[in-house]
Amino acid sequence: DGGITQSPKYLFRKEGQNVTLSCEQNLNHDAMYWYRQDPGQGLRLIYYSQIVNDFQKGDIAEGYSVSREKKESFPLTVTSAQKNPTAFYLCASSTPGHRNTEAFFGQGTRLTVV
Amino acid sequence: GNSVTQMEGPVTLSEEAFLTINCTYTATGYPSLFWYVQYPGEGLQLLLKATKADDKGSNKGFEATYRKETTSFHLEKGSVQVSDSAVYFCALRPNPINTGTASKLTFGTGTRLQVTL
Repeated sequence: DGGITQSPKYLFRKEGQNVTLSCEQNLNHDAMYWYRQDPGQGLRLIYYSQIVNDFQKGDIAEGYSVSREKKESFPLTVTSAQKNPTAFYLCASSTPGHRNTEAFFGQGTRLTVV
Repeated sequence: GNSVTQMEGPVTLSEEAFLTINCTYTATGYPSLFWYVQYPGEGLQLLLKATKADDKGSNKGFEATYRKETTSFHLEKGSVQVSDSAVYFCALRPNPINTGTASKLTFGTGTRLQVTL
């Protein structure tokens, strides 16, 4: 079945550590996105990529980094510079340029700083 | 810039009650509009969508009509069930004519629905 897979489902990070969240899709979508979800704040865009080897900052990119070396994969690294990383992270993909095509989401990764 | 405003929750209803969740937007031109649903601990699933003025999206008993004159896309259901308890997000996607690529979705803050027996 086609879809988006995020791993791990739960992740714990110590202070000062970098951690990487995985996102893989087999939908053949060109565009991929990372969102952060905090209670009462909806979804905020961290980074997005419309084609391989290209990505753009979203609204809250500070303290995060991404890569897009393959069409299927868009990993997110939460660096030690991110001062408040505890949140629920959602990855999505879509076909860019098509106004009637929705974004498909993964099941999310819950990151907790310990 | 683009923005989406949803009514604050939680919305608490008894089973079989009528549901309305208000959503208004600000955007250039004619964006596409979406409602997504999120069940506890899960990602977002598309509930319904509309891509032009006066379109009505519908799915699983939920409906929403794209109203250009009031820039609204209110979600309705005639008779809610306990299984509808979730968080509902309204979102818009810009028209590619206006932005060139139209990739990014802008979300509202979400409205939590609680349905009780």
